[in-house]
Amino acid sequence: DAKTTQPNSMESNEEEPVHLPCNHSTISGTDYIHWYRQLPSQGPEYVIHGLTSNVNNRMASLAIAEDRKSSTLILHRATLRDAAVYYCIALRNQGGKLIFGQGTELSVKP
Amino acid sequence: SQTIHQWPATLVQPVGSPLSLECTVEGTSNPNLYWYRQAAGRGLQLLFYSVGIGQISSEVPQNLSASRPQDRQFILSSKKLLLSDSGFYLCAWSRLWTGHGYTFGSGTRLTVV
Repeated sequence: DAKTTQPNSMESNEEEPVHLPCNHSTISGTDYIHWYRQLPSQGPEYVIHGLTSNVNNRMASLAIAEDRKSSTLILHRATLRDAAVYYCIALRNQGGKLIFGQGTELSVKP
Repeated sequence: SQTIHQWPATLVQPVGSPLSLECTVEGTSNPNLYWYRQAAGRGLQLLFYSVGIGQISSEVPQNLSASRPQDRQFILSSKKLLLSDSGFYLCAWSRLWTGHGYTFGSGTRLTVV
């Protein structure tokens, strides 16, 4: 499974969009990109995942670069409840174990 | 719907005492089960995973062990706790190996004193 690199921390203002970057330059053609987030004192929760095409769900959007070496998680309007550590994980769809890196700690200012 | 239960929520144990943390899943059968630990700061570390009753795989050598006596029950144990065993322990389940299918429990915060 490919290694991912994320900034340690980011800041955002409430009700503004947030773009959380992730680099995965060694990703293989069969690796999916998964995003999880962990709110304070809670277990991680699934946010979104994708392979090649951009993906949207009720929580966020995932923009994947054409060469798949990077991706961006987009929160369209940050709320205070979005303050969390966001993890980007690249792994094979079959036979992969979810291995977490350090993630990006997002703080949201009112 | 599927739910995952993990208890206790917090635990303070003396060094050298035994440990037993339990995790159960409802509403599904034959799940993949996982134990993670998060030490101070970030860094979720996968400790054990199980694909079936009695089948345990260990990711890192340590003072802990895991067991799966029933299909939807996963237990984390230690015979003698060390100070370094302190942390936030999380149980998770998934139906398949696909990364987006993981659901985590609410966690147990263990402090070894």
